[in-house]
Amino acid sequence: DVVMTQSPLSLPVTLGQPASISCRSSQSLVYSDGNTYLNWFQQRPGQSPRRLIYKLSNRDSGVPDRFSGSGSGTDFTLKISRVEAEDVGVYYCMQGTHWPSYTFGQGTKLEIK
Amino acid sequence: EEQLVESGGGLVQPGGSLRLSCAASGFTSSNHWMSWVRQAPGKGLEWVANIKQDASEKYYVDSVKGRFSISRDNTKNSVYLQMNSLRAEDTAVYYCARVDVVLWGYGMDVWGQGTTVTVSS
Repeated sequence: DVVMTQSPLSLPVTLGQPASISCRSSQSLVYSDGNTYLNWFQQRPGQSPRRLIYKLSNRDSGVPDRFSGSGSGTDFTLKISRVEAEDVGVYYCMQGTHWPSYTFGQGTKLEIK
Repeated sequence: EEQLVESGGGLVQPGGSLRLSCAASGFTSSNHWMSWVRQAPGKGLEWVANIKQDASEKYYVDSVKGRFSISRDNTKNSVYLQMNSLRAEDTAVYYCARVDVVLWGYGMDVWGQGTTVTVSS
């Protein structure tokens, strides 16, 4: 089974400063079609999860361009260029390459310093 | 507005059963794979089950195989999760989620608000 490992698990950030979350998979997430099905989700306090990024680097509709996804193979990163108050919450990476199951990372809690 | 609304959660004793329902609106759920994802109190997200558009394929996380069963009724735009032999570790908020119509690899693009299941004596 694929294991997804995120770091850090807690991320205190000053408003306006950048933030970076790492996600590593125990197996390559490159699918046979050449694509990498690594997705990122945001869960704000008291809310349901919301997809931010799909297929490594594609932002969902309505997601601010301060969010970006990158990486390759087994190492991936979610970056927020300038953290805003509304970004507080838990961020999860999730692999979709090894279908028909999905695997989430443990989550990274972003808070404002 | 595309929406998923779960229902059926509650308090159940260990060994008991519960059936969760998920009603879709604003889109045709029969065009999508559908998933259930759970979140134990204070914990992260865990994928539970997937069901294909025509229900011909169903997949489960190992910890629920043989106890949980996912199903759907496309005439009612609904998905279900039958949970039997419940254990304390099944206590969680259960989310119904729509899998992206483009490709399963893109994951879930619409989520419900969740329904809470508590397994306790």
